[in-house]
Amino acid sequence: EDQVTQSPEALRLQEGESSSLNCSYTVSGLRGLFWYRQDPGKGPEFLFTLYSAGEEKEKERLKATLTKKESFLHITAPKPEDSATYLCALNSGYALNFGKGTSLLVTP
Amino acid sequence: GAVVSQHPSWVICKSGTSVKIECRSLDFQATTMFWYRQFPKQSLMLMATSNEGSKATYEQGVEKDKFLINHASLTLSTLTVTSAHPEDSSFYICSARPDSVETQYFGPGTRLLVL
Repeated sequence: EDQVTQSPEALRLQEGESSSLNCSYTVSGLRGLFWYRQDPGKGPEFLFTLYSAGEEKEKERLKATLTKKESFLHITAPKPEDSATYLCALNSGYALNFGKGTSLLVTP
Repeated sequence: GAVVSQHPSWVICKSGTSVKIECRSLDFQATTMFWYRQFPKQSLMLMATSNEGSKATYEQGVEKDKFLINHASLTLSTLTVTSAHPEDSSFYICSARPDSVETQYFGPGTRLLVL
């Protein structure tokens, strides 16, 4: 059975303090690993899709990487506006299987 | 691009009434749309997969007679919560997947409160 586990559950950073969020997964055949950002009371906002080990994608202060067992979302020099819940999801073949998310708080 | 809208954004209704939520893909066609439910501080739980022109596929434990889904066009899916009760109060989010890609784009969500 496909599984997605995100860690940590919550992370508090000072502005400018870089860190990484982890998404560990098990899947019979990877058809895409997705990262989304969700602000309170809103729907998830698409960030990245990764398909194969070794793949990396970047957007502003965010960089997503993928290995055969996990994905990392690296946040470089975060700002308070990066505060949100970051969700990792696996494509199970017809739908997305979401992790529980990492709640990130960046303080000034 | 890839914008999905939902209407209404929030709704309050009395117990026993029905509520319809619309999900539209504004700048792309989507043969497949999805409906999720999210409780406070929890992740998204898939309720059903909606396919244009055919019956929706419901996840285990989701009552198809209570949560009616219609996907009559390539840009519109609707979710009707029938005979709503307080336990149906939740945040409902739809997503749409452009044909030929795997990425799902989400709507802004609809908060339902049943009194």
